[in-house]
Amino acid sequence: AQKVTQAQTEISVVEKEDVTLDCVYETRDTTYYLFWYKQPPSGELVFLIRRNSFDEQNEISGRYSWNFQKSTSSFNFTITASQVVDSAVYFCALIRRSQGNLIFGKGTKLSVKP
Amino acid sequence: EAGVTQFPSHSVIEKGQTVTLRCDPISGHDNLYWYRRVMGKEIKFLLHFVKESKQDESGMPNNRFLAERTGGTYSTLKVQPAELEDSGVYFCASSQDRGLQLTTTDTQYFGPGTRLTVL
Repeated sequence: AQKVTQAQTEISVVEKEDVTLDCVYETRDTTYYLFWYKQPPSGELVFLIRRNSFDEQNEISGRYSWNFQKSTSSFNFTITASQVVDSAVYFCALIRRSQGNLIFGKGTKLSVKP
Repeated sequence: EAGVTQFPSHSVIEKGQTVTLRCDPISGHDNLYWYRRVMGKEIKFLLHFVKESKQDESGMPNNRFLAERTGGTYSTLKVQPAELEDSGVYFCASSQDRGLQLTTTDTQYFGPGTRLTVL
């Protein structure tokens, strides 16, 4: 079965704190892709990052970083020095190479308070 | 470059009525997807077009839902007759190509969604 689990439903932090959003996935496929999307209050889903299953290198983009570990089937997302504008719902998702549709987790609502 | 656009942004209808949602993908994107998020649940896949052909419609809930993509450009999703459980946010996404290479750009770019409320 293919599944994405985001165990944290809601997280609230104070501005400038670091926060990590957890994502655990299940798939029997050896080739797959993992994604993070951000849904701000305006409602659209904004693409943040895409990783393939053969590339476990961690990635950093400004205050955002992603930690991909195949051994634990996790693809966690860390925001360093959070800002109020980071407040949104964040979705982790999976695509198998054999099928093109995204499988989403339930999302984690992040609230960053000033 | 214009992103994925969806129309309308909101729709409120009564049970039994018909509603048609429209999606315009990013220009040049052959793949078009429809997803739905019912309140409190995951975003779920509905169907996938490659150009004008339905590649995968395994997520369509029942035959009250009809999707079309005439000419391989914009797509419409019609719900007829609408039921209460159809309420939710309907997202459209597009991507350039599937390809067979590991480096294919499969990233799906989403529109703002249509919030459908069935009363």
